[in-house]
Amino acid sequence: GENVEQHPSTLSVQEGDSAVIKCTYSDSASNYFPWYKQELGKRPQLIIDIRSNVGEKKDQRIAVTLNKTAKHFSLHITETQPEDSAVYFCAASIKSTLTFGKGTMLLVSP
Amino acid sequence: KAGVTQTPRYLIKTRGQQVTLSCSPISGHRSVSWYQQTPGQGLQFLFEYFSETQRNKGNFPGRFSGRQFSNSRSEMNVSTLELGDSALYLCASKSDNEQFFGPGTRLTVL
Repeated sequence: GENVEQHPSTLSVQEGDSAVIKCTYSDSASNYFPWYKQELGKRPQLIIDIRSNVGEKKDQRIAVTLNKTAKHFSLHITETQPEDSAVYFCAASIKSTLTFGKGTMLLVSP
Repeated sequence: KAGVTQTPRYLIKTRGQQVTLSCSPISGHRSVSWYQQTPGQGLQFLFEYFSETQRNKGNFPGRFSGRQFSNSRSEMNVSTLELGDSALYLCASKSDNEQFFGPGTRLTVL
């Protein structure tokens, strides 16, 4: 089955810095790659996604890139703010089943 | 539109008992997926239902089962509870590829 690796497991940045979280997947049949943000005690929330026919997608301070050849995809957050602090999960989807990475705890210090 | 709802939000059971969790998807969504979230294993796919049929199943023992009703509401059942079943159980309502999570049911097995 699909396997998703996510790095780093924790990431500490200063407010205003950029943050990058990277994921790799194993199954070339995966065709949809969402990113979720989960704040403590809350549900995962979809923040951005990308389909396999697109290389990059941006939404304000958040961007995702996909390299299908290398089976890598990354989340980029610019101008980080304390409210960006949360656990971020990447996922890869085959036939509507999501396989998640283990998560990255992002801490943004004021 | 109302979001995904799950009941109950919290549940305490003892080993050997069984439990039933409920999920109501976003109106108009016909697909419901269930996930188990634990600190050690992260988010793991349990199963997906679409139009009352199980469409995909994860790698969980047969003690975990589910069903979906004609109004798209879904239930999952865990029989013969074990301590390791303590987790946050999340359901997700799907439209196209996008999955939207409910608040989860926190199950504690004593």
